[in-house]
Amino acid sequence: DIQLTQSPSFLSASVGDRVTITCRASQDFRSYLAWYQQKPGKAPKLLIYAASTLQSGVPSRFSGSGSGTEFTLTISSLQPEDFATYYCQQLNSYPLTFGGGTKVEIK
Amino acid sequence: EVQLVESGGGLVQPGGSLRLSCAASGFTFSDHYMDWVRQAPGKGLEWVGRSRNKANSYTTEYAASVKGRFTISRDDSKDSLYLQMSSLKTEDTAVYYCARGLVFKGFDHWDQGTLVTVSS
Repeated sequence: DIQLTQSPSFLSASVGDRVTITCRASQDFRSYLAWYQQKPGKAPKLLIYAASTLQSGVPSRFSGSGSGTEFTLTISSLQPEDFATYYCQQLNSYPLTFGGGTKVEIK
Repeated sequence: EVQLVESGGGLVQPGGSLRLSCAASGFTFSDHYMDWVRQAPGKGLEWVGRSRNKANSYTTEYAASVKGRFTISRDDSKDSLYLQMSSLKTEDTAVYYCARGLVFKGFDHWDQGTLVTVSS
């Protein structure tokens, strides 16, 4: 199974900050990696797929990069609506797995 | 507009069974893979399993934690996905989501989730 480790687990930031979240995989895989945003009491929302492709309707301040075993999600200028928990997910092989999540809170 | 509406959650005793249903609309259901994901209270996301589409013979995949206890099925004539859960354990307590799975591209639509509580 491919294990995904996200860092940090918790992040405190201010509006306007640049934020980077890392997702490290236990083994090398093709870039079938997705990122999700989840707000309390809501279903996750797909932000990025194939490591770097922005899902339709997602603001361009979100971007993804990486390959192999290290992937990153970057928010170029944090907005009030971006305070949420973010998860990475690998879709390369079964079982599909999620990272443990990164909670982004207001400083 | 793509919509997924889930039903069937609730309280069940350990060892019991429960069936979740997910009704889809706004897209050609038979063309798509469908997935189940769960989230225990205060915890992260856990993929439960997948139903492939008609073109891939409706084959299924499961997480090790539910294999042999949970069964995913679908009825394309009703645009519906199902999760039959049996031999339930307290650790199966979670909000369960159904989601439309795009092959290698993530889950682009999710339902609102339904809470399953396994407790005596």
